[in-house]
Amino acid sequence: GQQVMQIPQYQHVQEGEDFTTYCNSSTTLSNIQWYKQRPGGHPVFLIQLVKSGEVKKQKRLTFQFGEAKKNSSLHITATQTTDVGTYFCAGPDSNTGKLIFGQGTTLQVKP
Amino acid sequence: KAGVTQTPRYLIKTRGQQVTLSCSPISGHRSVSWYQQTPGQGLQFLFEYFSETQRNKGNFPGRFSGRQFSNSRSEMNVSTLELGDSALYLCASSFDAQMGTGELFFGEGSRLTVL
Repeated sequence: GQQVMQIPQYQHVQEGEDFTTYCNSSTTLSNIQWYKQRPGGHPVFLIQLVKSGEVKKQKRLTFQFGEAKKNSSLHITATQTTDVGTYFCAGPDSNTGKLIFGQGTTLQVKP
Repeated sequence: KAGVTQTPRYLIKTRGQQVTLSCSPISGHRSVSWYQQTPGQGLQFLFEYFSETQRNKGNFPGRFSGRQFSNSRSEMNVSTLELGDSALYLCASSFDAQMGTGELFFGEGSRLTVL
C-alpha cells in the first residue's frame, strides 16, 4: 500500500541551530499537510501544500513540496525551545483519500 | 468556537472487555476520522465518517467499529480488548467534504490502557 516515510525519527539540536525533517511518499500526492504535536498534546495543523515546487514560510518555518509531488521538507531556522515536539507530514491515499501520516520526527532542543 | 471534544480522556480496561469512545466534532464539521497513536506505529488510520456513512476504513480487525450520528457526533467501539490495543485514540474533524483535502482538527484524545 501507499507509504509516507519521514526521516530522521529523532533530532536533538542546540537552541539556535537549524532543523530539517524530510518526508517521502511512495506515490504522487495531490497535497501534503504538516502537523505538530507537542509532548502530551494532540496534532495541530501547520500548513498544506498543493502545487508542485511550492514553498511556503511561516516565520522561522519553511515548507517545501517537491517538483514531483512525492517529497516534502520542513526547515526550522534558529530553533527555540518552543519548537520541541513531533512533526508529522501527511498525504492522502491516491485511491481512497484517507490521510496517511508519516512516522514523525521528534525534535528536542537543548537551551 | 469549541474544539473537538473526546470523552473519556483516560480509561483503564482489562483484556476481554469492550470500550466505547466518544467524539464531538467542531460545529459544522461533517467529517470525523479516528486514528490510533502508539509509540511504535505512529498515527494509524482507523476509519472516517461523513454524514453518518463510513467512507474509509483502515487495516484494523473487525473488533474495531464506529458510527456517526445525525448531529455528526461519532463513537468508536473496541470489543474483546487486547493488551496491544493500549494507545491514544485521536478523533479529528474536518469541514471539507472531500477527504484528504482539508485541515484536520484533532481532539485531545482518549488514552486507553488495557491490563
